[in-house]
Amino acid sequence: NAGVTQTPKFRILKIGQSMTLQCAQDMNHNYMYWYRQDPGMGLKLIYYSVGAGITDKGEVPNGYNVSRSTTEDFPLRLELAAPSQTSVYFCASSFAGGPYNEQFFGPGTRLTVL
Amino acid sequence: DAKTTQPNSMESNEEEPVHLPCNHSTISGTDYIHWYRQLPSQGPEYVIHGLTSNVNNRMASLAIAEDRKSSTLILHRATLRDAAVYYCILSGGSNYKLTFGKGTLLTVNP
Repeated sequence: NAGVTQTPKFRILKIGQSMTLQCAQDMNHNYMYWYRQDPGMGLKLIYYSVGAGITDKGEVPNGYNVSRSTTEDFPLRLELAAPSQTSVYFCASSFAGGPYNEQFFGPGTRLTVL
Repeated sequence: DAKTTQPNSMESNEEEPVHLPCNHSTISGTDYIHWYRQLPSQGPEYVIHGLTSNVNNRMASLAIAEDRKSSTLILHRATLRDAAVYYCILSGGSNYKLTFGKGTLLTVNP
């Protein structure tokens, strides 16, 4: 199993550009999550999904959109990139919800907006 | 969400045990205690979790106080590869979201 994969690894955007961060998992997990991590800080939840076709906002959703058309994929869309979106983005998945389920994280995408 | 308090940083020597503390005085009865760690330039990885009883797995042990207001992650023999930021997180009830604080930066000296 590849686990959780993310592409690209690095990206530089200009202010106002858009892009999609890709995330895929091959563990047949129902739950998927997007987090961002600013320098020296913990992770903050952007969006999450409890299954195909179902998404919901996390703590910091402004400026982002998501979709979940398949169990495997959970892309994160940035519209009109701003310098405040410079961060490392992590995708994660878990088999189910509930507080006892382990989340598996991808390697991250480092995004810089100039 | 119930909050956790961890030291900003700790230091250890290789092959010695490490005890990483976490205070969670407002923990509710349904909150699980999770530990994740983040190695440099990587995503977080699960370490261990527990509810009331002490827990052991191949990576670490989790000691939970009787009143559940604090817990300790124990690495029995630290290696250089254990140098990471360790996060103590509470998650309970129907809440499956993890809220990450700043964690404890563990430095392991050779």
